[in-house]
Amino acid sequence: DGGITQSPKYLFRKEGQNVTLSCEQNLNHDAMYWYRQDPGQGLRLIYYSQIVNDFQKGDIAEGYSVSREKKESFPLTVTSAQKNPTAFYLCASSIDNSNQPQHFGDGTRLSIL
Amino acid sequence: SQQGEEDPQALSIQEGENATMNCSYKTSINNLQWYRQNSGRGLVHLILIRSNEREKHSGRLRVTLDTSKKSSSLLITASRAADTASYFCATDGYGNKLVFGAGTILRVKS
Repeated sequence: DGGITQSPKYLFRKEGQNVTLSCEQNLNHDAMYWYRQDPGQGLRLIYYSQIVNDFQKGDIAEGYSVSREKKESFPLTVTSAQKNPTAFYLCASSIDNSNQPQHFGDGTRLSIL
Repeated sequence: SQQGEEDPQALSIQEGENATMNCSYKTSINNLQWYRQNSGRGLVHLILIRSNEREKHSGRLRVTLDTSKKSSSLLITASRAADTASYFCATDGYGNKLVFGAGTILRVKS
């Protein structure tokens, strides 16, 4: 079955630590996205990538970094510079960047120890 | 930058009733999309309506779009307990990025 796999489902970060969230898709989609969701709020765009080896900052990129070395993979690193990282992180993909429907993974919930 | 704003924030209905959620947005759009999110899960795309369309149906879902009022509505008919979820509208008014509203929490009581 085609889809998006996010791992881990739950992640804990210590002070000063960088953590990496995994996102893999087998839908052959060009575009991939990372969103942050806080309780009772909508999704805010962190980073997006329209094609391999290219990515752009979204609305809240500070404290985060990404890479897109393979079409299937778009990992997100939450750095120690992100002072309020506790949130639900969602990865999505779409066939291209023309605002077609996005397919979402089931998220990673990040908490601070 | 929140483009879409859903109304109401929360809605509680009995099974079998219809549920209506509204979305307002600020800038011109090419399309508007509705998504559903079950608790603790990712979003699932429900329906996309283009700016030149006024109404679209998919099963028990009916979406309308009024570009003059910059608003859309999602109607779920004959609701079921399994429809309990958060519903989000998303618009493409800011280039090639979707912008999501804060969502409507729907609870369907059996």
